[in-house]
Amino acid sequence: EAQVTQNPRYLITVTGKKLTVTCSQNMNHEYMSWYRQDPGLGLRQIYYSMNVEVTDKGDVPEGYKVSRKEKRNFPLILESPSPNQTSLYFCASRMGRGGANVLTFGAGSRLTVL
Amino acid sequence: AQKVTQAQTEISVVEKEDVTLDCVYETRDTTYYLFWYKQPPSGELVFLIRRNSFDEQNEISGRYSWNFQKSTSSFNFTITASQVVDSAVYFCALSEVGEYGNKLVFGAGTILRVKS
Repeated sequence: EAQVTQNPRYLITVTGKKLTVTCSQNMNHEYMSWYRQDPGLGLRQIYYSMNVEVTDKGDVPEGYKVSRKEKRNFPLILESPSPNQTSLYFCASRMGRGGANVLTFGAGSRLTVL
Repeated sequence: AQKVTQAQTEISVVEKEDVTLDCVYETRDTTYYLFWYKQPPSGELVFLIRRNSFDEQNEISGRYSWNFQKSTSSFNFTITASQVVDSAVYFCALSEVGEYGNKLVFGAGTILRVKS
């Protein structure tokens, strides 16, 4: 089944404790992206990647890192999480460049930082 | 800059009522794409429709229909004869092409509650 898989789905952590949210897609998509969803703000892009070893900032990159060493994986790293990073996170992927293609989203990862 | 506005934060209807979710967008590009996604209570994002800027034909899919009007920069979504299963958060989104096609810009979402 074609899908984007995120883990963990739920996580409660404490301020400053490094964590990684993994994302993997099995559709051979070039483009991958991370979004966070907050009430009243919709989804906002954190980082995106056009292909292996090519990443760039989205609208809200502060406090996050990403890497794209393999085409299928795009982990989101929070080096020192803070309470304002409590949110619902979505990884997504699509074919190719440009905005025409439909994004396929993972099931979401709900992160709470105490 | 790209912007999507969903002015209706929350809408409540009774089953079988028709309901329209509004979406207004801003873009500098002449070529762009508009999307609607549904987020049911389970939390996943479900793609509903994509429309490109050159295709202003309205679209109907079962009880769902979409009205795209470039003159008013709107892409509204109507559910006919709503059902409880339609209860969800609905997001309208915009994507430009070229270097600005690297992100999908979402509206804040509209919470739809359908009561039986």
